[in-house]
Amino acid sequence: EIVMTQSPATLSVSPGERATLSCRASQSVSNNLAWYQQKPGRAPRLLIYDASTRATGIPARFGGSGSGTEFTLTISSLQSEDFAVYHCQQYDKWPLTFGGGTKVEIK
Amino acid sequence: QLQLQESGPGLVKPSETLSLICSVSGGSISSSSYYWGWIRQPPGQGLEWIGNILYSGSTYYNPSLKSRVTISVDTSKSQFSLKLSSVSAADTAVYYCATHSAAAALFDSWGQGALVTVSS
Repeated sequence: EIVMTQSPATLSVSPGERATLSCRASQSVSNNLAWYQQKPGRAPRLLIYDASTRATGIPARFGGSGSGTEFTLTISSLQSEDFAVYHCQQYDKWPLTFGGGTKVEIK
Repeated sequence: QLQLQESGPGLVKPSETLSLICSVSGGSISSSSYYWGWIRQPPGQGLEWIGNILYSGSTYYNPSLKSRVTISVDTSKSQFSLKLSSVSAADTAVYYCATHSAAAALFDSWGQGALVTVSS
């Protein structure tokens, strides 16, 4: 199975600042990579798919990049509602696998 | 807009079978365009994919759980279900049902989640 590793586990950022989250795959997943946002007590919400395409209704401050084994989620200017846990998921090969998540907290 | 809702017991005894149902509205569970899946999240941990099913009954299971998992679909009730046998405390988690398109296995609609605790 493809192991997805996210870093850092926790990212402390001030509102208005830029946040950069990383996701690494143990083998190439091409661009078959999705990012999800999860707030406490809520289900995950799809943010990005195909590594860089924003899902419907997702603000432009969320950007995804990368291919192969290295991926990045960038939040250009953090808003209060962006403090949450972010998960990456590969859908290139079965079984589907998720990273362990990165918590973005207020600095 | 697809809507999914999990239901089932919130407490299951060790060694017994966990059973959950996901009710689908706002779209056809019989569509060949969608796969219907289960994902779980132990308290304070990450997400784990359990398995998927197509309306025809074709399934994909996570090998780590395959020996204990059964996912089935009831198109007449617009529901699909999860059964996980021989549970232990390690199976305590929030269980989500979710859906993805046939084109790509990324989950774009999720249920709200159901906490299932395994305890005697």
